[in-house]
Amino acid sequence: DGGITQSPKYLFRKEGQNVTLSCEQNLNHDAMYWYRQDPGQGLRLIYYSQIVNDFQKGDIAEGYSVSREKKESFPLTVTSAQKNPTAFYLCASITATGGAFYGYTFGSGTRLTVV
Amino acid sequence: AQSVTQLGSHVSVSEGALVLLRCNYSSSVPPYLFWYVQYPNQGLQLLLKYTTGATLVKGINGFEAEFKKSETSFHLTKPSAHMSDAAEYFCAVWGNEKLTFGTGTRLTIIP
Repeated sequence: DGGITQSPKYLFRKEGQNVTLSCEQNLNHDAMYWYRQDPGQGLRLIYYSQIVNDFQKGDIAEGYSVSREKKESFPLTVTSAQKNPTAFYLCASITATGGAFYGYTFGSGTRLTVV
Repeated sequence: AQSVTQLGSHVSVSEGALVLLRCNYSSSVPPYLFWYVQYPNQGLQLLLKYTTGATLVKGINGFEAEFKKSETSFHLTKPSAHMSDAAEYFCAVWGNEKLTFGTGTRLTIIP
């Protein structure tokens, strides 16, 4: 079945360490997105990419980095510069022309906890 | 820029009662509007969407929403709440190649 796979589901990180969250899709979607979810704040956009080897900052990009070397993959690195990284992270994707009509397909999320 | 506002971060209803979750939007162009549902520790699932055409939109699990341009609203309703409806609900608007989400409404069902 087609879908988006996020791994791992739960991740623990020590302060000062970088950590990478995986997002893979087999939907042949062109655009991919990373959101951060905190209680009471909804979903906030971190980064998005509409084509391979290109990406744009969202509203809260500081302390995060991404790459888009393959159409299927859009990994997110949470760097040590991110001061409050504990959150639930969601990856989503859409077709190039379908976003406005179809909306996103979401992965099941990764819960990151700094210990 | 497009935005949505969800009124009420928590809503409680009795099982069998009407569910009403409120969403107002701000958009300089005809909006494409969405409602998503999220169960604990899961991703978001599309409930329904308004793009063009009929203003009353029916979705999954018995939910529906009505687009009211004069009120800039897109409220979500369900005639009779079920225990399985307990979840968090997000309204979203499409613009600038991305979805912008509201802050969410947590729905609790009272047995």
